[in-house]
Amino acid sequence: QVQLVQSGAEVRKPGASVKVSCRSSGYTFTDYYIHWVRQAPGQGLEWMGRINPISGDTNYVQKFQGRVTMTRDTSITTAYMELSWLRSDDTALYYCAREDSREFFDFWGQGTLVTVSS
Amino acid sequence: DIQLTQSPSSLSASVGDRVTITCRASQTISTYLNWYQKKAGKVPRLLIYSASSLQSGVPSRFSGSGSGTDFTLTISSLQPEDFATYYCQKSYNTPYTFGQGTKVEIK
Repeated sequence: QVQLVQSGAEVRKPGASVKVSCRSSGYTFTDYYIHWVRQAPGQGLEWMGRINPISGDTNYVQKFQGRVTMTRDTSITTAYMELSWLRSDDTALYYCAREDSREFFDFWGQGTLVTVSS
Repeated sequence: DIQLTQSPSSLSASVGDRVTITCRASQTISTYLNWYQKKAGKVPRLLIYSASSLQSGVPSRFSGSGSGTDFTLTISSLQPEDFATYYCQKSYNTPYTFGQGTKVEIK
């Protein structure tokens, strides 16, 4: 069965970086884009970007350009999202999600809570 | 970038009510529009894709319609488990923007 398993909760100080992993299993990793979505406390879902697991090509929303880096390691079927220069308003639950060929998100990771606090 | 605006932002309804949520895109997106349900502590759940296609396993009381810039999610008879926040999302070209959400609460 398809599973996306994310790394555990993280606490960082403002100005630091965080790298969240998303390990995929149960399907061919290189056949599906992986996206990253976050939800801050009391806020809505926010799309951050995606990575093509075959090529490593990425698309980021402009808001995060220069601060976010998405990578993947096909040998261990894992995608990563690194966010740098963290601010308190980056405190959120970060999700990875798989994009189906029909352009929707059919499977999600369980979420990783990132807390930014001094 | 294309923006999605949902209305209302929240609503109160009773079990058995018919509920309609709208999503308006700032530019035409054909039928590249998906709907998700989000409950606290749970991951988002896909309900409708390509504007009107019901995802496998989703109850038939959920339906979607629309194309171009105006879309609708309808719950024909609200059930207790449907109290949640609903999000529309565009696909096709990035960014895959979400609407701001509509919270459906118990009246």
